[in-house]
Amino acid sequence: AQSVTQLGSHVSVSEGALVLLRCNYSSSVPPYLFWYVQYPNQGLQLLLKYTTGATLVKGINGFEAEFKKSETSFHLTKPSAHMSDAAEYFCAVSDSQDTGNQFYFGTGTSLTVIP
Amino acid sequence: DAGVTQSPTHLIKTRGQQVTLRCSPKSGHDTVSWYQQALGQGPQFIFQYYEEEERQRGNFPDRFSGHQFPNYSSELNVNALLLGDSALYLCASSLVQGVTYEQYFGPGTRLTVT
Repeated sequence: AQSVTQLGSHVSVSEGALVLLRCNYSSSVPPYLFWYVQYPNQGLQLLLKYTTGATLVKGINGFEAEFKKSETSFHLTKPSAHMSDAAEYFCAVSDSQDTGNQFYFGTGTSLTVIP
Repeated sequence: DAGVTQSPTHLIKTRGQQVTLRCSPKSGHDTVSWYQQALGQGPQFIFQYYEEEERQRGNFPDRFSGHQFPNYSSELNVNALLLGDSALYLCASSLVQGVTYEQYFGPGTRLTVT
């Protein structure tokens, strides 16, 4: 079975500082990995995804993530935080089998950006 | 291009009642998944519909049921509501094509059970 662990339910960074949100996964098959962002009272918006190919993936709003199979990790980074980045971030894993693409989400990391 | 839409936005029900939530997928998508997101938690998979049939189901009781219509829209029904059913219910649509299985989420329906 697949599962996701997000280390740190709350992360605070200063504006302009590096953002690092951690995600580790467990999967019995080659995983598809996703990061979603959720602003208050809204649904989830896809930031980026890894399916196959290049292990460093770039997403929207300057975010990127690197798939490290040996570490079973898919950490999200952004070089310089903006105030508008304050939100809840979810890492998700989906199996790649053609039996339905159930997503397994982590419990989320709340990002606060300090002016 | 319309994204995923859900109705209603908010809903208040009493314990024991029944509720129906609705979802219209993104244009061109044929698969709808439903998730329950309790306060402070990540979304939990309820079930997925494809070709008007339940394709996969998460660990939710039979009180949770669904339906998909020929136009790919979907309903989530919850019977005998419990206080613990209070949550944000998210609908996600996707296209069973290739191997990316990317899901697009709607804004959700906030259900409060009193």
